[in-house]
Amino acid sequence: SQQGEEDPQALSIQEGENATMNCSYKTSINNLQWYRQNSGRGLVHLILIRSNEREKHSGRLRVTLDTSKKSSSLLITASRAADTASYFCATDPSGTYKYIFGTGTRLKVLA
Amino acid sequence: DTAVSQTPKYLVTQMGNDKSIKCEQNLGHDTMYWYKQDSKKFLKIMFSYNNKELIINETVPNRFSPKSPDKAHLNLHINSLELGDSAVYFCASSRRGSSRGQGLYSGRPYEQYFGPGTRLTVT
Repeated sequence: SQQGEEDPQALSIQEGENATMNCSYKTSINNLQWYRQNSGRGLVHLILIRSNEREKHSGRLRVTLDTSKKSSSLLITASRAADTASYFCATDPSGTYKYIFGTGTRLKVLA
Repeated sequence: DTAVSQTPKYLVTQMGNDKSIKCEQNLGHDTMYWYKQDSKKFLKIMFSYNNKELIINETVPNRFSPKSPDKAHLNLHINSLELGDSAVYFCASSRRGSSRGQGLYSGRPYEQYFGPGTRLTVT
């Protein structure tokens, strides 16, 4: 099974609502990153959280990391139609730089 | 202005052909990657080069051969294309922190910058 698995697989919300996506992984990690992929485009880096950090913020994004549960969550507050995309978590098991991407959450924000 | 560029954007070819995808980055990064994204959007690393040296080589058929002529370029050549090779191939680059005396896999982590992808269709 995948190192990183996001849930839900798909999420549909109204503009202005908050969106929460979760990522679970199996082995110890050095850091975890979240990426966004718009349809037909490459991935864009959103935020990086190291294994010794518990929470990070960037604009409307809030990422938490619970290494004891091997899970992370990405919260997008006050969502906009432009947030519609797939969101992936990527883990780096023990600092090997061999990033393993999760299965992604497809977010749809309805205007 | 493009940070990571790939050519071509689309590639349609027949089984058995040989094709190449080119990637260039102008970010001054020392590490480049090739990923394959299948129809279910699953993204898997294939190769990684650091300063022109191959450092990650996942279980990939030897029909796939990466080549890095310099730090800014990483090309992917595919021989004898098969139907299952149809996918979107992404190039990415990043910095790679390292500390003297601690080996290749040390230092702080950095984000990756992805190219726009090359959609390969094998018929």
